[in-house]
Amino acid sequence: TQLLEQSPQFLSIQEGENLTVYCNSSSVFSSLQWYRQEPGEGPVLLVTVVTGGEVKKLKRLTFQFGDARKDSSLHITAAQPGDTGLYLCATDTGGGNKLTFGTGTQLKVEL
Amino acid sequence: DAGVIQSPRHEVTEMGQEVTLRCKPISGHNSLFWYRQTMMRGLELLIYFNNNVPIDDSGMPEDRFSAKMPNASFSTLKIQPSEPRDSAVYFCASRSWGSYEQYFGPGTRLTVT
Repeated sequence: TQLLEQSPQFLSIQEGENLTVYCNSSSVFSSLQWYRQEPGEGPVLLVTVVTGGEVKKLKRLTFQFGDARKDSSLHITAAQPGDTGLYLCATDTGGGNKLTFGTGTQLKVEL
Repeated sequence: DAGVIQSPRHEVTEMGQEVTLRCKPISGHNSLFWYRQTMMRGLELLIYFNNNVPIDDSGMPEDRFSAKMPNASFSTLKIQPSEPRDSAVYFCASRSWGSYEQYFGPGTRLTVT
């Protein structure tokens, strides 16, 4: 059983559409991170959320941490081809050092 | 800053051969992590070091895998002997003490035939 389940697993949309991806768990987390990984590269941190109900915005990306700190969502407005990549959520499971990653959402934005 | 540097970027080897992957973390970072990424299992932590000391190697799959960090600017992950199921992309990441963020290298794509 995966600690962090992400959905959908794959998403293919047209440029300009909006989308939301989800990261869910039965466990409560002290914090949660979102990464984006482009082909041939390592993951890059987008945001860290630490407070239940917290909402953070990064240009067209909106991140929300659930009130109970068991889930999170990433909403992209007006998607662009540059948003294409693997989106991973992750949480610390080892006192500040041990990241456990979710199953990932592979996003493709087409012209 | 050059970021985390990994070498080689690609490695193709035959089953039974020894493979050594190398990593140079970002200067000043205190923690170093080795991950493996496959389609089936996703991104998994293999081992991490704090101040050059291995802290948790519970993710290392077998005794065939070993990792060292002889100094603050260099780490190796060795597989001996390699097997086809070791084929994956191996990432190294580093982190500054007290920071949430891990910085990943570009990865080494390993293919064992």
